[in-house]
Amino acid sequence: GQQLNQSPQSMFIQEGEDVSMNCTSSSIFNTWLWYKQDPGEGPVLLIALYKAGELTSNGRLTAQFGITRKDSFLNISASIPSDVGIYFCAGRPGNTPLVFGKGTRLSVIA
Amino acid sequence: DSGVTQTPKHLITATGQRVTLRCSPRSGDLSVYWYQQSLDQGLQFLIQYYNGEERAKGNILERFSAQQFPDLHSELNLSSLELGDSALYFCASSVGQGSYGYTFGSGTRLTVV
Repeated sequence: GQQLNQSPQSMFIQEGEDVSMNCTSSSIFNTWLWYKQDPGEGPVLLIALYKAGELTSNGRLTAQFGITRKDSFLNISASIPSDVGIYFCAGRPGNTPLVFGKGTRLSVIA
Repeated sequence: DSGVTQTPKHLITATGQRVTLRCSPRSGDLSVYWYQQSLDQGLQFLIQYYNGEERAKGNILERFSAQQFPDLHSELNLSSLELGDSALYFCASSVGQGSYGYTFGSGTRLTVV
C-alpha cells in the first residue's frame, strides 16, 4: 500500500526551541494534513493543506504543501511543554482514505 | 470531546475469542473509518463506510469485519483473536469523503492475552 516517510522518528528539545519535521511520499498527494496525538487520546487535526506550495499557520504551527506535491513539513516555533506528543502527517493520493506516516514523537525538556 | 464516541475504552480478552468494538460518529457525519494503531506502526487504515455502505477497504484481515447501521453507528468485529491483534483501534468520522480531515474518537485499547 501507500507509504509515507515521516522524519525524524523522535525529537528531544529544550523549551523555547523551534521544531521542524517532514513527510515524503513516493506518489503525488492532493491533500496533506498534520495531526497531533496526546497520550490516551485520538489524533487531533492541526493543519490541512490543499494546494501545492500552500503555506498555512495555526498559532505557533506552520505547515507547507510541497511544490512537487510529494512532501510536506511542519514547524513549531518557541516550543512549550504542552507541545509534547506524537505528530502525524497524513495525505490523500486521490479520492481515497487518508494514509498516515508513522509519527514523530516530540519531547520537550523544560 | 471530539464528538466521536468509542466503546469500550479498554478490552482484555483471550486468544481465540471474538470482540466487538463500537463507534458513534460525530453528529451529521456520514463516513466512518476504522484504523489500527500498533506500536511503531502508525495508523493503518482498515475499512471505511459511507451512509451504511462499504466504501473502501485497507489491510483488514479476513478475521475482521465491520458494518454501519441505519443510525450511522458502526461496529468492528474481531474474531479468532491472536496476540498480534493487541493494538489501539480508532474510529474516525467525516461529513463526506473527508476532504477537510477526519475527527477521531479516543480509541479502544485491545489487549489479547
